[in-house]
Amino acid sequence: DAGITQSPRHKVTETGTPVTLRCHQTENHRYMYWYRQDPGHGLRLIHYSYGVKDTDKGEVSDGYSVSRSKTEDFLLTLESATSSQTSVYFCAIGGRTNTGELFFGEGSRLTVL
Amino acid sequence: AQTVTQSQPEMSVQEAETVTLSCTYDTSESDYYLFWYKQPPSRQMILVIRQEAYKQQNATENRFSVNFQKAAKSFSLKISDSQLGDAAMYFCAYSTGGATNKLIFGTGTLLAVQP
Repeated sequence: DAGITQSPRHKVTETGTPVTLRCHQTENHRYMYWYRQDPGHGLRLIHYSYGVKDTDKGEVSDGYSVSRSKTEDFLLTLESATSSQTSVYFCAIGGRTNTGELFFGEGSRLTVL
Repeated sequence: AQTVTQSQPEMSVQEAETVTLSCTYDTSESDYYLFWYKQPPSRQMILVIRQEAYKQQNATENRFSVNFQKAAKSFSLKISDSQLGDAAMYFCAYSTGGATNKLIFGTGTLLAVQP
């Protein structure tokens, strides 16, 4: 199994508060991704990183920022959480053979009240 | 832009029977990858099977096989001898591979397995 851990696994917060989700990998993989999963939408890409300090936007990046100061850590920040950001968030990394598949963490369920 | 469509929100199958989940996609690329991921109630995303578009032979993994029709842009998943543990949400996904490896997912099909 790919060594990916997400924290926290569950979080409940209130509208307007900042939230940071952390993804940690032990695979030394260059590329890391944040997706959100919502019913009826599948998984959608928020942001991804292609190296330390190198990030780019995905399909649903509004309201989110990311940072990557070390190869192993990729942080997703909601500066001011809204109820529409209630979701399950997945971090992912690529496979060693670069044949397209991604390997996912266990997911973080965020509820914004 | 590439899109992935799963037109069956829910499916049901009897234990030991065979079920086919449908997936269509849209792309102008000639080289790409297609995947089926399984998400059981534990929420973990598990890679079930992968197909490279340049390969004409359909991929198989034990009881799981695909029917890849490149011209029709169709990529269905067949599960044979269904087991209770196959009950899960199944996602079809597309990637152009290469450096960035961004996956595009369908909306998922929830599979129930009846004993």
